[in-house]
Amino acid sequence: AQSVTQLGSHVSVSEGALVLLRCNYSSSVPPYLFWYVQYPNQGLQLLLKYTSAATLVKGINGFEAEFKKSETSFHLTKPSAHMSDAAEYFCAVLSGTYKYIFGTGTRLKVLA
Amino acid sequence: DTEVTQTPKHLVMGMTNKKSLKCEQHMGHRAMYWYKQKAKKPPELMFVYSYEKLSINESVPSRFSPECPNSSLLNLHLHALQPEDSALYLCASSQREGLAAPHNEQFFGPGTRLTVL
Repeated sequence: AQSVTQLGSHVSVSEGALVLLRCNYSSSVPPYLFWYVQYPNQGLQLLLKYTSAATLVKGINGFEAEFKKSETSFHLTKPSAHMSDAAEYFCAVLSGTYKYIFGTGTRLKVLA
Repeated sequence: DTEVTQTPKHLVMGMTNKKSLKCEQHMGHRAMYWYKQKAKKPPELMFVYSYEKLSINESVPSRFSPECPNSSLLNLHLHALQPEDSALYLCASSQREGLAAPHNEQFFGPGTRLTVL
């Protein structure tokens, strides 16, 4: 069975500091991995996805993630946090054609 | 058009009411989804329609009844709900023709905030 684990339900960073949100996966087959962001009372927006084409994936809003098979990780990073990055972030793995297995989410707080 | 729209934005209903949530997309996607999201939790999949046929039903209570009238529309009919059904209901779509599954990420609507009294 496939699963993802997000370490840290809450992460706080200062504005301008590095953002690192952790996601580890478990999969018996090559995984397809996604990061989504959710702002309060809104739907989910895709930040980036890993589909085996490249291990370093660049997404929207300056975010990127690196797929590391040896560490079974797909951590999300951004060099410099902005106040507008404050939101909930979900890592997900695709199970079959349609089903996402979501992590429990990480709430990012950006301090002025 | 890369948008999934949902109506209404907010809905308050009593336990004896019948209401419907609506979702629409014009991206030519052939799969549409309903999710339920409780506060501070990830979305939980409820139903998937693929090519207008019900493909996945995640053992959802029968008081939730999905309907896919055509490839652009998805409804969720609600009847005799319980207070614990109060949540954000999200619609999503995916699956452009000719693309393999991992390249067909899901696009989410803004959700309907449902409160059951």
